Amino acid sequence: AQSVTQPDIHITVSEGASLELRCNYSYGATPYLFWYVQSPGQGLQLLLKYFSGDTLVQGIKGFEAEFKRSQSSFNLRKPSVHWSDAAEYFCAVVPTSGTYKYIFGTGTRLKVLA
Amino acid sequence: GAVVSQHPSWVICKSGTSVKIECRSLDFQATTMFWYRQFPKQSLMLMATSNEGSKATYEQGVEKDKFLINHASLTLSTLTVTSAHPEDSSFYICSARGGLISIGNEQFFGPGTRLTVL
Repeated sequence: AQSVTQPDIHITVSEGASLELRCNYSYGATPYLFWYVQSPGQGLQLLLKYFSGDTLVQGIKGFEAEFKRSQSSFNLRKPSVHWSDAAEYFCAVVPTSGTYKYIFGTGTRLKVLA
Repeated sequence: GAVVSQHPSWVICKSGTSVKIECRSLDFQATTMFWYRQFPKQSLMLMATSNEGSKATYEQGVEKDKFLINHASLTLSTLTVTSAHPEDSSFYICSARGGLISIGNEQFFGPGTRLTVL
């Protein structure tokens, strides 16, 4: 079955430190890949997406993600975290055939220490 | 572009009443809209998928008589929670997908509606 795994439920980093949020998926082909951020009580904001081409994707707010086919991963990174980055982060994949529904990971809650 | 709105952003109602939540695509035509439910500190759970002019397709375990979905136009879908009870309290998020704007079947998400049933 298709699935998305975000192994880290909670991550705490100090402001200014680097960040990597992990996302692994289970799917037979390369899916469409997305990262979203959600602040408390808010909807989802798209950070970046990957469809094809260059495997290093740049997004908003200084985030980037790298697609690694061999590892079925799409990890999100930021070189220097700001206090305002504290939020919930969701990885989502969309299969390239079938119903094209989103499959969400369970999310990673990021806490930033001042 | 690709803005999705929801109304209301929050609603409090008494047990037994019905509540309607609207989801609108403001600057594109949404051929498909999705309704999600999110419990505190959890991921989004897909409730149903609706295509304009067709009956909604509900996910397993979602009561279609409890959660009525209507997608009457290419820019509007509504979710009506009928005879709401406290256990229906949750954060409801809609999303929309439409034609050429949805490369990679990207969905555009609304800001969510917080429902509290007393």
